[in-house]
Amino acid sequence: GAGVSQSPRYKVTKRGQDVALRCDPISGHVSLYWYRQALGQGPEFLTYFNYEAQQDKSGLPNDRFSAERPEGSISTLTIQRTEQRDSAMYRCASSPQQVGYTFGSGTRLTVV
Amino acid sequence: QQPVQSPQAVILREGEDAVINCSSSKALYSVHWYRQKHGEAPVFLMILLKGGEQKGHDKISASFNEKKQQSSLYLTASQLSYSGTYFCGTEIGAGGTSYGKLTFGQGTILTVHP
Repeated sequence: GAGVSQSPRYKVTKRGQDVALRCDPISGHVSLYWYRQALGQGPEFLTYFNYEAQQDKSGLPNDRFSAERPEGSISTLTIQRTEQRDSAMYRCASSPQQVGYTFGSGTRLTVV
Repeated sequence: QQPVQSPQAVILREGEDAVINCSSSKALYSVHWYRQKHGEAPVFLMILLKGGEQKGHDKISASFNEKKQQSSLYLTASQLSYSGTYFCGTEIGAGGTSYGKLTFGQGTILTVHP
């Protein structure tokens, strides 16, 4: 597609439920990144992939968070047993290597 | 590891200039600059890969001092459309090797008034 597509745009879930956030990167982009952004702050790194291989997951807060990119294209970020502190804007970005990132519009997650 | 940006906020009148600085405590492989408007995604402005590199984009340019581990973004003759939050993103690395991910600064809020 023309840009990075994320779905859903908004997600409200009850505490304790699992959620799956989807990212469809720009076609042909090798690298895919997941970030979390709090209001008024810079994006905070979570994890990234080159093709289907997860290169770095050091930013995932705990083992309730996981991500995959099985065919080197679409990626899913899954949060199990959601907690209120998980509420944030989750942003996906993609890039060819060594050029700038294109960010998606994000998924606003609210845990109630 | 988060780079430090300064100043935190800048208020300008149209036509004035501004400089935003980004400093890292680690050796840098690259520096990216992004602008984010309220309610929107960050938008890529430019990337600097080599120490001493300078780039320009319209009236926005940037420099990268590898030895000082810092970068500066220069906005000249500012326009209303320049308003937004500017983020630097730094990629740690040394000896020509990248360690992969970008770490973003806390942002600099730029407001341009008519």
